[in-house]
Amino acid sequence: LAKTTQPISMDSYEGQEVNITCSHNNIATNDYITWYQQFPSQGPRFIIQGYKTKVTNEVASLFIPADRKSSTLSLPRVSLSDTAVYYCLVGERGRDTPLVFGKGTRLSVIA
Amino acid sequence: NAGVTQTPKFQVLKTGQSMTLQCAQDMNHEYMSWYRQDPGMGLRLIHYSVGAGITDQGEVPNGYNVSRSTTEDFPLRLLSAAPSQTSVYFCASSYGTERTGTQETQYFGPGTRLLVL
Repeated sequence: LAKTTQPISMDSYEGQEVNITCSHNNIATNDYITWYQQFPSQGPRFIIQGYKTKVTNEVASLFIPADRKSSTLSLPRVSLSDTAVYYCLVGERGRDTPLVFGKGTRLSVIA
Repeated sequence: NAGVTQTPKFQVLKTGQSMTLQCAQDMNHEYMSWYRQDPGMGLRLIHYSVGAGITDQGEVPNGYNVSRSTTEDFPLRLLSAAPSQTSVYFCASSYGTERTGTQETQYFGPGTRLLVL
């Protein structure tokens, strides 16, 4: 399983764009990159998933360079409600290898 | 759909007691799993199941048992509770094997907070 490395914490002001980068140097050919969000006292929630280039949904964008050794989760114009822990996971689709959650990145949005 | 439900929401046990944490999902998901989360830590996988009748160990299985007799239910049993098992327990499910494996979106329950004295 590819190991991921993320910053432990980040601070941002409301209305700013936040970029959280995840390093996964040992990513395998069949691995996908998935990000989850966890609010205090709740279970994690799926945000976005991608394989290469750029993926965008109503919540976030995911940028993956050609070598796929890193990825960046981009949250546009964050609000106080985006304060949460964000987890980057790497794993193979089509297989039942368990997901591995690291410690994630604790994002604090300040008014 | 209720999604993933967990009971109880909160439980206090004495050392040595046993109990079962319940998890149920109504989405007909094949894949289910149990995680524990300690303060300031990420989630660690305890046990998982790829379908009824099939279970396997995760990263931290010691002290826990699971069974999967139906697609819907995946209970977690603490055999003899210890203070080290004080944690928040999350159950998750996904479509799993028949679609895209565990990288399919995982749906998490609200968690069970367990305190072992």
